[in-house]
Amino acid sequence: GAGVSQSPSNKVTEKGKDVELRCDPISGHTALYWYRQSLGQGLEFLIYFQGNSAPDKSGLPSDRFSAERTGGSVSTLTIQRTQQEDSAVYLCASSLDGLAGRTDTQYFGPGTRLTVL
Amino acid sequence: AQTVTQSQPEMSVQEAETVTLSCTYDTSESDYYLFWYKQPPSRQMILVIRQEAYKQQNATENRFSVNFQKAAKSFSLKISDSQLGDAAMYFCAYGGATNKLIFGTGTLLAVQP
Repeated sequence: GAGVSQSPSNKVTEKGKDVELRCDPISGHTALYWYRQSLGQGLEFLIYFQGNSAPDKSGLPSDRFSAERTGGSVSTLTIQRTQQEDSAVYLCASSLDGLAGRTDTQYFGPGTRLTVL
Repeated sequence: AQTVTQSQPEMSVQEAETVTLSCTYDTSESDYYLFWYKQPPSRQMILVIRQEAYKQQNATENRFSVNFQKAAKSFSLKISDSQLGDAAMYFCAYGGATNKLIFGTGTLLAVQP
């Protein structure tokens, strides 16, 4: 079947604007993850969903970042009042399950490159 | 907290030759997974190989194999018969009880024709 998809592929925005990044996981995958990849910080975990719940939001860098998942499928990562340091590639991944105590293989989407001017 | 270290920022290999990428990690957990992901310029992170910590046998996937040394907390990736398409950034990742993956800083592999 289809892999993880993300949209948009690239997003350029002005400082202070809000942006929404979308992730469509692999059908049937209950766990969904957001990561951020930047030159200075490498690959960082942001948030993890099990179904529609987010048991781990520990990686969200500030309260300007939020995410939701609806219907156990599509997820949206929202960044409010964007800053230049938010410029990065935002990667989404999904896995078959995210049951506590095991880390199933995560399959990644192509990412969204966010540039804040 | 778990950490993953890749000490080789860049590596180069001749086409058809063999190359080994190094990865070490630190954890107090006994059950976990280790992964190698490949990221070409297209940005797509592609799973190369997975190793389950409780399995002593090293994982293999065609030309890719790992040398997993649990006591030494070492997890290296061997690429045999290197091909031009193998050129990419390679990330070692740890997956434990917290579900999130912890990544190393990556090794950029160049393949020379």
